[in-house]
Amino acid sequence: EAQVTQNPRYLITVTGKKLTVTCSQNMNHEYMSWYRQDPGLGLRQIYYSMNVEVTDKGDVPEGYKVSRKEKRNFPLILESPSPNQTSLYFCASSFSGNQPQHFGDGTRLSIL
Amino acid sequence: GENVEQHPSTLSVQEGDSAVIKCTYSDSASNYFPWYKQELGKRPQLIIDIRSNVGEKKDQRIAVTLNKTAKHFSLHITETQPEDSAVYFCAADNAGNMLTFGGGTRLMVKP
Repeated sequence: EAQVTQNPRYLITVTGKKLTVTCSQNMNHEYMSWYRQDPGLGLRQIYYSMNVEVTDKGDVPEGYKVSRKEKRNFPLILESPSPNQTSLYFCASSFSGNQPQHFGDGTRLSIL
Repeated sequence: GENVEQHPSTLSVQEGDSAVIKCTYSDSASNYFPWYKQELGKRPQLIIDIRSNVGEKKDQRIAVTLNKTAKHFSLHITETQPEDSAVYFCAADNAGNMLTFGGGTRLMVKP
């Protein structure tokens, strides 16, 4: 089954404790991206990757890091999480940036 | 960069009526305009998309229209049903590299 898998689905943690949200896709997509969703603000892109070892900033990259060492994986790293990063995060993949994007089920992060 | 505005933020219709959601974008180079539906607690899912070489696209009860000159596009849902209740997002691409989303419209279809 074609899917985008995110882990964990839920996480409550404290300020400053490094965390990683994993994202994996099995559709051989070249393009992957991370979004955060906040009430009234829609989906805002954090980072995207057009291929292995190629990443670029989206609209809200501050406080986040990503890596794309393999085609199927695109982890999101919060080196020093802060409360304003409390949000619902979605990973998505597609063949390119202007093709239909397949979203994961989301990760709800709470930073205390 | 691209800026996408979406209206209205909430929309309530009676079952069987039509619903229209409108979006405007700023980057005249945008060529891809998808619409996503997000049910409560679920992931966004693509329902229809349109590219700049066409002005309208239909899929059963859903249609999207695009006016590139005015830089706006709209989602039309006819004969609405309770299962159409969800949040709808429009988006526009930015030079084919990324999507910028509108703020979303919460559609409520009353039985």
